[in-house]
Amino acid sequence: DGGITQSPKYLFRKEGQNVTLSCEQNLNHDAMYWYRQDPGQGLRLIYYSQIVNDFQKGDIAEGYSVSREKKESFPLTVTSAQKNPTAFYLCASSPRDRATDTQYFGPGTRLTVL
Amino acid sequence: AQKITQTQPGMFVQEKEAVTLDCTYDTSDQSYGLFWYKQPSSGEMIFLIYQGSYDEQNATEGRYSLNFQKARKSANLVISASQLGDSAMYFCAMRGVSSNTGKLIFGQGTTLQVKP
Repeated sequence: DGGITQSPKYLFRKEGQNVTLSCEQNLNHDAMYWYRQDPGQGLRLIYYSQIVNDFQKGDIAEGYSVSREKKESFPLTVTSAQKNPTAFYLCASSPRDRATDTQYFGPGTRLTVL
Repeated sequence: AQKITQTQPGMFVQEKEAVTLDCTYDTSDQSYGLFWYKQPSSGEMIFLIYQGSYDEQNATEGRYSLNFQKARKSANLVISASQLGDSAMYFCAMRGVSSNTGKLIFGQGTTLQVKP
């Protein structure tokens, strides 16, 4: 079954901790994305990667970091520098980073700061 | 700048009836893609339908169709024969070629509730 998996589904973080959210896809897509969703809001782009070993900042990259060492994987680290990390995080992928390419989403990770 | 506007925060529809969810967009790009996603209470974003700016025909996918009016910059989603499982949040989104960030621009969403 082709798709995008995210883990964990729920994540709790203490103040001052870094946490890493996993995103894996087996769709053979070149482009991958991380979005953040706050309650009642649309999605905002954190980081994106058009190809392996390359990634770019989105609109709200401060306090986050990513890596893209493998085509299938695009983990997101929420660092202690992110002041308000409680949110729903969605990973997406598309065949290429083109306007006409559909982005497909994973099931999401809900992060809560204790 | 690119922008998506969804003016209906919440909508109700009777089961088996059709419903239209409004979406207007603003872009200076000539080439762009328009997308609709469904987000049920579980949180996942489910892709529903796509319309390219150069497509002359309105897109259709099963019970979903996109009423694309390019001159008005609108891309309304029509759901025919509503089902209880259609109750969810619906997002309109777009991508333009001038956007180098690769991002989808999302609207604020419309919550649809289907009544039995």
